Formats: sequence, C-alpha cells, structure tokens
Amino acid sequence: ETGVTQTPRHLVMGMTNKKSLKCEQHLGHNAMYWYKQSAKKPLELMFVYNFKEQTENNSVPSRFSPECPNSSHLFLHLHTLQPEDSALYLCASSQVAGNTGELFFGEGSRLTVL
Amino acid sequence: QQQVKQSPQSLIVQKGGISIINCAYENTAFDYFPWYQQFPGKGPALLIAIRPDVSEKKEGRFTISFNKSAKQFSLHIMDSQPGDSATYFCAASGGGSNYKLTFGKGTLLTVNP
Repeated sequence: ETGVTQTPRHLVMGMTNKKSLKCEQHLGHNAMYWYKQSAKKPLELMFVYNFKEQTENNSVPSRFSPECPNSSHLFLHLHTLQPEDSALYLCASSQVAGNTGELFFGEGSRLTVL
Repeated sequence: QQQVKQSPQSLIVQKGGISIINCAYENTAFDYFPWYQQFPGKGPALLIAIRPDVSEKKEGRFTISFNKSAKQFSLHIMDSQPGDSATYFCAASGGGSNYKLTFGKGTLLTVNP
C-alpha cells in the first residue's frame, strides 16, 4: 500500500450509532489532518496532528472525536451525528505541519447520516 | 477575512483552449497559495503553488499568476486537454505554511474533445 488510505470508503449510519473512520499513511509523514468536504462548500479543516499531538481543533463539535495513536494512523470517532454531518471526510498527511510541504490526501470516506 | 473566493463555479473549454480560474483573498497575512486538482472519487492532489515573492510560476501547461496588490491569483491551463477535466481548488495560508489552508469552493472544469 502506498500513499494515504482511508477506510471505509462509504458509511451509512443512524443518528444514534457510533462508528469510526480510519486513515493510514505510508509516506513516513509526521503530520495528519482531517478535512470535511461538502457540496458547494470549501474544504473545511477539522483537526491537525503534528508528531501525534493535536495542534488544531477548528471548532469541531464534540460528536467528532479524533485519535492519533502514532504518526501513521489517524481515526475519527463519530457518535450521535446529525444529517448535516453527511459529507466526504478526507484525511491528509504532510511531512510536518507548518511548512510549505504538499498535503497528500486520501480518497475520502463518504458518510451518510440518516 | 479568512475567505478565499473562487470563480467561476464551473467552466467548459474546448480541447486546446485556455482555462482560467480566478481566486481572491482578503487576509494580507496569507503568503502561500497552492492549487489542488481533484478527480471524481479521488482526493485532492497538489498541482502547483506560489509564494508572493514572485508574480508568476509555470509548470508545464499550468501557470499561476499572482497580483499581490489586488490580492488575486489565478490558474491558467494552456492547451487544455480532456484529461484536465476535474475540480480545481485554490487555497491560501499564512506563515508560509500548509498548516491551516483556507480553500476556495472549487471550479469544475470540463474540457470537451
């Protein structure tokens, strides 16, 4: 596997469910990000982890809970979501957070909340 | 002040034509301006980026033009090809950093054969 891998690619959940999105990067990077992509809206930065430490929480509701156990893995734990949370969730990585290094994105997890 | 305004929302160009996408920003602290390209079902990928110390950067058929005084930058795709059909996002951040990129809403480019 190369690059940034996200699973699952598609997820349908009810508002009372608990699920998790997983991201794994095989690039040896030290920074990982969660972005939310909704139709007709700009990509929204959610969280940044740099060397496993969370360095940014962009006012994200607590029903989204990130976890970064090591520099290669990033999770987004979901619980009691709302229908407006339906979107494509993109994981990205970069060498470090805070330089002009390229962000490498995964293909995303398409989330539908019923 | 954190917005990046991108236009047009969609663009149709004939093969061989020039595609032009424009972005404008307000935050004068922005000093790193990348463009990302996204194909359907894929994540965005960095296409080209510019810092404000230059007014133009060219990589193959892709050119960024930057106007610091007007706080505008644009992407030009020369000799557009059907394979260029994708969504293009401009972005900006401060501190010369990828740390908190502010993205535009995207432009869906269709290049007809």
